[in-house]
Amino acid sequence: AQKVTQAQTEISVVEKEDVTLDCVYETRDTTYYLFWYKQPPSGELVFLIRRNSFDEQNEISGRYSWNFQKSTSSFNFTITASQVVDSAVYFCALSDILTGGGNKLTFGTGTQLKVEL
Amino acid sequence: DTGVSQNPRHKITKRGQNVTFRCDPISEHNRLYWYRQTLGQGPEFLTYFQNEAQLEKSRLLSDRFSAERPKGSFSTLEIQRTEQGDSAMYLCASSRLQGEAFFGQGTRLTVV
Repeated sequence: AQKVTQAQTEISVVEKEDVTLDCVYETRDTTYYLFWYKQPPSGELVFLIRRNSFDEQNEISGRYSWNFQKSTSSFNFTITASQVVDSAVYFCALSDILTGGGNKLTFGTGTQLKVEL
Repeated sequence: DTGVSQNPRHKITKRGQNVTFRCDPISEHNRLYWYRQTLGQGPEFLTYFQNEAQLEKSRLLSDRFSAERPKGSFSTLEIQRTEQGDSAMYLCASSRLQGEAFFGQGTRLTVV
């Protein structure tokens, strides 16, 4: 069975601080995808990134960066110089590549990020 | 690209009534997914379609739930004889083959 653990329920930071959201996963699959989604108060899940288990290179996109470490089964997400608009619930998710086109996702319970002025 | 559209956005119903939700996926997307999200939890997979074929259903999808995608475009999710435990956000997503999923804003169901 697959499992995603986001141990941080809520994080509060002051604007311009860097913040890292942790994600630890469990799977018996050898090939899988890892995802991060953002859920603002409007409710829509906004896709941020999908990473293939074969690709352990870290990725940077603007103020966002992701650290994938297969050895520790972690896929952490860092926001640099946080802004108030980053306030949302962030979900880490896992899927095997062969089922549902890779979109039968197992989500963590989410981390509520609050960025204050 | 108009995104995934879900209607209604909110639904309040009395216990025992039937409800139906609609999802319009991104037009060129072959795959369509339904998820359910309860307060404070991550979304849980319910079912998915490739074109009009329903390829997988979760054990969460009891006999009171049925989903259809008759022409491979929009989809409906019906809940019969609603129970208070059905109160949740119902999320729809769509994707290309092997592409990542894009979600709609969801339908929030409250059963009173």
